[in-house]
Amino acid sequence: GPKVLQIPSHQIIDMGQMVTLNCDPVSNHLYFYWYKQILGQQMEFLVNFYNGKVMEKSKLFKDQFSVERPDGSYFTLKIQPTALEDSAVYFCASSLTGRTGQLYFGEGSKLTVL
Amino acid sequence: QQQVRQSPQSLTVWEGETAILNCSYEDSTFNYFPWYQQFPGEGPALLISIRSVSDKKEDGRFTIFFNKREKKLSLHITDSQPGDSATYFCAARAQVVGQLTFGRGTRLQVYA
Repeated sequence: GPKVLQIPSHQIIDMGQMVTLNCDPVSNHLYFYWYKQILGQQMEFLVNFYNGKVMEKSKLFKDQFSVERPDGSYFTLKIQPTALEDSAVYFCASSLTGRTGQLYFGEGSKLTVL
Repeated sequence: QQQVRQSPQSLTVWEGETAILNCSYEDSTFNYFPWYQQFPGEGPALLISIRSVSDKKEDGRFTIFFNKREKKLSLHITDSQPGDSATYFCAARAQVVGQLTFGRGTRLQVYA
């Protein structure tokens, strides 16, 4: 089936540093999402993105977070600066349509902040 | 407060048995309920889904039973196979585009 690729699969960084998580969504998809999963807990919605803009974001999407997809390249999640509580697995997803579209998830990027 | 609850947290069945995974929710505006299957090291993959206008959805060995009045649903996996061993997430969606509210998952182990 359609694949969403995420790079890196695992990143370890020191608190305060910047990190960029990359997502290569399904090629003809138009809507993009980031979810966060802390170990042992449920996945939680962070943000959705369409037509170059953030449509909605949750309370978890702190001011230190930003997303972009410059020129149809990777859809990225940037955290600057990172905090200890940002340690989690971040899942990217994409869908062809919005409200009723099926979400396809990547394998996740595990972020460890020391 | 958890909007979507799943039980049990883990479940073990023998090959050929029926596994029943439960899910309940709080928000009455939820109208679409996908179930995702996740194997270790992989992302969640859509398994089967149901809309709130239906009370049952079947796809092969997988069936969702939905009770709107009680805000409950369940996933039944008949003739369970060892390859079904995975974590199953119940999710719900309301109005926000692509915003799924997930439960914490049920880890299913099927023994041969």
